[in-house]
Amino acid sequence: QKEVEQDPGPLSVPEGAIVSLNCTYSNSAFQYFMWYRQYSRKGPELLMYTYSSGNKEDGRFTAQVDKSSKYISLFIRDSQPSDSATYLCAMYDYKLSFGAGTTVTVRA
Amino acid sequence: DAGVIQSPRHEVTEMGQEVTLRCKPISGHDYLFWYRQTMMRGLELLIYFNNNVPIDDSGMPEDRFSAKMPNASFSTLKIQPSEPRDSAVYFCASSPSGGTSGANEQFFGPGTRLTVL
Repeated sequence: QKEVEQDPGPLSVPEGAIVSLNCTYSNSAFQYFMWYRQYSRKGPELLMYTYSSGNKEDGRFTAQVDKSSKYISLFIRDSQPSDSATYLCAMYDYKLSFGAGTTVTVRA
Repeated sequence: DAGVIQSPRHEVTEMGQEVTLRCKPISGHDYLFWYRQTMMRGLELLIYFNNNVPIDDSGMPEDRFSAKMPNASFSTLKIQPSEPRDSAVYFCASSPSGGTSGANEQFFGPGTRLTVL
């Protein structure tokens, strides 16, 4: 079993819809939880991070962490075609462990 | 700032050949990471350096892989001999600090797409 599990999708939604992404993990030592966005043929870039349990909001993006359930989520409100990308969750104890990534397409 | 620079962007080689991938981290960053990304295994950490010293190479798949960082502005990942199963996208990333706080962002380069025939 992988330390970080993420449904690879793909996920296709119409413009304006809410996108919901999630990951589960098994390592209780993870303290920092991140979401990276990767456009096609590019390197990943950090989108958001949270420390321990709780919510964090940044514009149209909301990250949630539930350590008791070992479950993290990313929500994208009012999705735009420019949000079309692969979203990777990542978690940190002494190194980053990445999920497989979920490919999202937002249709205009 | 130009960001993390990797070369070459694409490499096609034949099985058994030596492959050298190159990385220039962002100036002032003291951590450097090498990752491999495949459809099957996702993004995997191969090795990382702190102040040019290899800290954790437990992700290096086998002895055919080696990495060096002779100075703060240059690192190489070498595969010798290469095999078709090494085909992947190899990313280099750098961070201003990454040993104690996961909140410190890793900046990724554009990657090298390696195909071994």
